[in-house]
Amino acid sequence: DVKVTQSSRYLVKRTGEKVFLECVQDMDHENMFWYRQDPGLGLRLIYFSYDVKMKEKGDIPEGYSVSREKKERFSLILESASTNQTSMYLCASSSRGLAEAFFGQGTRLTVV
Amino acid sequence: GENVEQHPSTLSVQEGDSAVIKCTYSDSASNYFPWYKQELGKRPQLIIDIRSNVGEKKDQRIAVTLNKTAKHFSLHITETQPEDSAVYFCAAGKNTGFQKLVFGTGTRLLVSP
Repeated sequence: DVKVTQSSRYLVKRTGEKVFLECVQDMDHENMFWYRQDPGLGLRLIYFSYDVKMKEKGDIPEGYSVSREKKERFSLILESASTNQTSMYLCASSSRGLAEAFFGQGTRLTVV
Repeated sequence: GENVEQHPSTLSVQEGDSAVIKCTYSDSASNYFPWYKQELGKRPQLIIDIRSNVGEKKDQRIAVTLNKTAKHFSLHITETQPEDSAVYFCAAGKNTGFQKLVFGTGTRLLVSP
């Protein structure tokens, strides 16, 4: 069974904190993605990675960075959390090429 | 970059009716168009996809049509059931050496018994 696992389901952080969201997949997928989901705005791509140590900016990368040191793990980093980063964060992975993306269960982050 | 517009944002139907959700895209190079269903509190899951060399694809009660000339594609659900109630997302992608999907803003479908 395909699995994409995000480290936390819910997180509450303070403004200015450095926040790490972790995602692990067990399907040996080359591609991994971080999306942000907000009501009325759909799924917006923050960053993606198509190989270990490779990363590309998505549509809304400001305020975020990522790390992919191992093929199965993709981390999203909020360098200095702000209240406008309160959102649902979804990780996904897919095999090389145009293929089905498998999503994690999501992390609901609240920045206070 | 690619822009995907999705309509309507909400759709209410009676059980047994058909539902249609429409999406348009801007990048003529896009050649992969998946649809994802997200039930309340759950992760999005792929329900059907279509590639640019195909005009229509069916899977039981769901079908997707693609008009590359007009740059729009649609999801059709027939004989809707309450368990079809969910948020549906369309997406467009192209293979530029790596996959990048751009999603629409989602349609909340409510099927009333």
